[in-house]
Amino acid sequence: EVQLVESGGALIRTGGSLRLSCVGSGFPFSTSTMNWVRQPPGKGLEWVSFISGSGNSIYYTDSVKGRFTISRDNAKMSLYLQMNNLRDEDAAVYFCARDDWEYYESGLYYYNGMGAWGQGTTVTVSS
Amino acid sequence: EIQMTQSPSTLSASVGDRVTITCRASHNIDMWLAWYQQKPGKAPNVLIYRASSLKTGVPSRFSGSGSGTEFTLTISSLQPDDFATFYCQQYKNYPWTFGQGTKVEI
Repeated sequence: EVQLVESGGALIRTGGSLRLSCVGSGFPFSTSTMNWVRQPPGKGLEWVSFISGSGNSIYYTDSVKGRFTISRDNAKMSLYLQMNNLRDEDAAVYFCARDDWEYYESGLYYYNGMGAWGQGTTVTVSS
Repeated sequence: EIQMTQSPSTLSASVGDRVTITCRASHNIDMWLAWYQQKPGKAPNVLIYRASSLKTGVPSRFSGSGSGTEFTLTISSLQPDDFATFYCQQYKNYPWTFGQGTKVEI
């Protein structure tokens, strides 16, 4: 069974730092591309960051560039999000999500969406 | 950044109704669009990818269509389990972006 379990959410002061973790099981973690997606209270989904299986390819949404760092430890089947200089608007439930891909013998591959999600961990930012 | 705009934001419907949600992209995203369903307090679940491909295990009453900048999610006959919030998401370019969501309520 595929499982993703986030942890590390907390109440933190504006300007503070926090590291979120996500442990995966039931799938080949080291070859899976992963994301962080957040959802502020009562609001919609916002994609935050992507990391490839090797960690060599990384992307961020503009609002977190320079403040957040995504990383992974494949030996521990873990994904991380280091969040520095936290702002009020960073308060949200943070989900880790695994990408689903479809591969063909021809070498073509297609993205099939974020097919597995954790239950989320809550980050509250207060001044 | 590609902006995604969904309409309507809220939709009132009854069991058995045919429901259509629209998603518009600010730039051409070809067919690189997914639809997610989210129930309160839960993580989202992907329903549709590549604009019209149904994820295995998702009921066939869900369907997606469109390409370029205009997309639709249709529920052919709304069931009690379908009352939720639906999001479109483009994956043509990073940063990936979601629509603001459409809440389907009774």
